[in-house]
Parts: sequence; C-alpha cells; structure tokens
Amino acid sequence: KQEVTQIPAALSVPEGENLVLNCSFTDSAIYNLQWFRQDPGKGLTSLLLIQSSQREQTSGRLNASLDKSSGRSTLYIAASQPGDSATYLCAVYNYGQNFVFGPGTRLSVLP
Amino acid sequence: EAQVTQNPRYLITVTGKKLTVTCSQNMNHEYMSWYRQDPGLGLRQIYYSMNVEVTDKGDVPEGYKVSRKEKRNFPLILESPSPNQTSLYFCASSLRTGFEAFFGQGTRLTVV
Repeated sequence: KQEVTQIPAALSVPEGENLVLNCSFTDSAIYNLQWFRQDPGKGLTSLLLIQSSQREQTSGRLNASLDKSSGRSTLYIAASQPGDSATYLCAVYNYGQNFVFGPGTRLSVLP
Repeated sequence: EAQVTQNPRYLITVTGKKLTVTCSQNMNHEYMSWYRQDPGLGLRQIYYSMNVEVTDKGDVPEGYKVSRKEKRNFPLILESPSPNQTSLYFCASSLRTGFEAFFGQGTRLTVV
C-alpha cells in the first residue's frame, strides 16, 4: 500500500529565502504526483502536477521535481514571501488506485 | 469560473440526525470524491465516483453514503451521524481519475 511522508512537518523562514519541501513515497510505480497548497479554513489549491514521465514542472516561483526511482519529489519555492505561508501537501496517484496524500508541511514566512 | 462548491461551510448537528452535504462542480468532470481531514491522520478518501451512477468506497466509508445521479452533483449523506464523524470534509473533482484534482472550500462538521 502506498505511503507518503513529508519532511519537515513545519518550517519557519525569513522572507526572501529559497526553500525546499520534501515528499517521499514507498511505491515508485506512480502515475503522477500533485502538489497542493492549503490555507487555514480553506480548501486545497492545486499548484503543480507532474506526470510520471516528467522530471520537473515549473510555475512562477515554484519548481517541483520528481525522482521516481528514489521515491522522492521536492517543491522548491524561490524568494519566499509572507503570502506563501500555508500548508503544502503532496499527493501521489498510482494507476487504478486513488490519490494518497502526505501529512503536509506547514510553512511560515516571516516578514 | 471553474469551481467546486460545497454547502454548508459549517454545520453543527446532534447525534443521529440525518444530514446531507452537497457538492457541485461546473467543469463537466467525470471523477468526483469525498475526503475527510483530521489532525494527525491527514486526508482520507471516503467515497468516489468515476461517473454518473458509478460509485465506490474509499478508505473510510463506514457511516457515509453517496449518490451520483447527475454528473455535476455528488452529495455526501450521513444517515445517523456520530461524534467520531466530527471532521473537516472536502469534495474534489477531476476530469478523470488521476488527473489534476480541484477541491471545494470544505465543510466543517461538528456532531455533538
């Protein structure tokens, strides 16, 4: 059964820093991986979707990479801003199954 | 605007009183699902639907029912709510299973 972990559980950084969030999964036969952002009291917002055949995806200051063989994905946030403060979740999809979510990384960017 | 809409956003009810949480999407998506989110347990899937009249159990289906009579709507029914169903609930949809998922704003349910 697919298991997803995220490290660190929480992270606090000063504004302007570049940072990396990590996502690990146990079953490397994934179809795709999706990164989400969750703001307090709100739903999940899709940030990036990486297909299993891709190495990385970029959107603005965000870059997500995928290494299937090692069961890892990273979300890189450049020049962090206070508005980036949120919980970041990764979700892994194995074909024929359902999305499995990680527990999330709670990010605080301090002004 | 493409969106998934859940109602109500907040609900406090008593044990045993049947309730329905509605979910509607305007993107003509085939796949819809319900999740609950609990501290320390993360997001867990309750039920999902691959298309109209096609539903199946997720990881934590006990105590819940769903129906998919129309493509756009996927209500979650709690026939006899209990306090252990107090949680934050999310509806999600995607074009097909495994495609990019779009989530509703969530429904915070408290059962007393």
